[in-house]
Amino acid sequence: DAGVIQSPRHEVTEMGQEVTLRCKPISGHNSLFWYRQTMMRGLELLIYFNNNVPIDDSGMPEDRFSAKMPNASFSTLKIQPSEPRDSAVYFCASSLDSDQPQHFGDGTRLSIL
Amino acid sequence: AQSVTQLDSQVPVFEEAPVELRCNYSSSVSVYLFWYVQYPNQGLQLLLKYLSGSTLVKGINGFEAEFNKSQTSFHLRKPSVHISDTAEYFCAVRSMNTGFQKLVFGTGTRLLVSP
Repeated sequence: DAGVIQSPRHEVTEMGQEVTLRCKPISGHNSLFWYRQTMMRGLELLIYFNNNVPIDDSGMPEDRFSAKMPNASFSTLKIQPSEPRDSAVYFCASSLDSDQPQHFGDGTRLSIL
Repeated sequence: AQSVTQLDSQVPVFEEAPVELRCNYSSSVSVYLFWYVQYPNQGLQLLLKYLSGSTLVKGINGFEAEFNKSQTSFHLRKPSVHISDTAEYFCAVRSMNTGFQKLVFGTGTRLLVSP
């Protein structure tokens, strides 16, 4: 069984550049979550999609962050322009439904110089 | 709103010793409770969950947790740890209210198992 697949695993880029993180959820899962993990703030939910529709984006830090889910098998999280304080590990997770256990990808470690 | 407190940021233990990782939560409504494990450079994996019924919950890899409503605790235990249990462990809660409810995570406890 393929789990949640995220790419890239590591990204290093300079401040001001656009960054796009990608996620392929588990087939058949209708809920998708983007999280950010930092030492200071721990694990924070950024946005939640259900059936490809954004339901809760209250955790998105600011307008520089945007997320899309064009179909059931793909989602992106974009940061434009990126800043050093965006450096973190970004996780994508999916679940059969919003109240079912979430399955996490291995994350993207993002470093903004 | 809910909050989760994991008082121990790090727990060192010797191989084959028992371990308990503490988790306390705060919530004005009833909650579901979860423990996740994160191995280095990996995502979180569900260890066990409490939804209802027996307050003693058994999970994968020999772990178990006990829900104590009066003490608002959900401590994780293992009678004998292995080197391979070295990882970060996260306690999480979610409201039982209908509609989408966020998973709220604690700050994590790093379990360090040495020979």
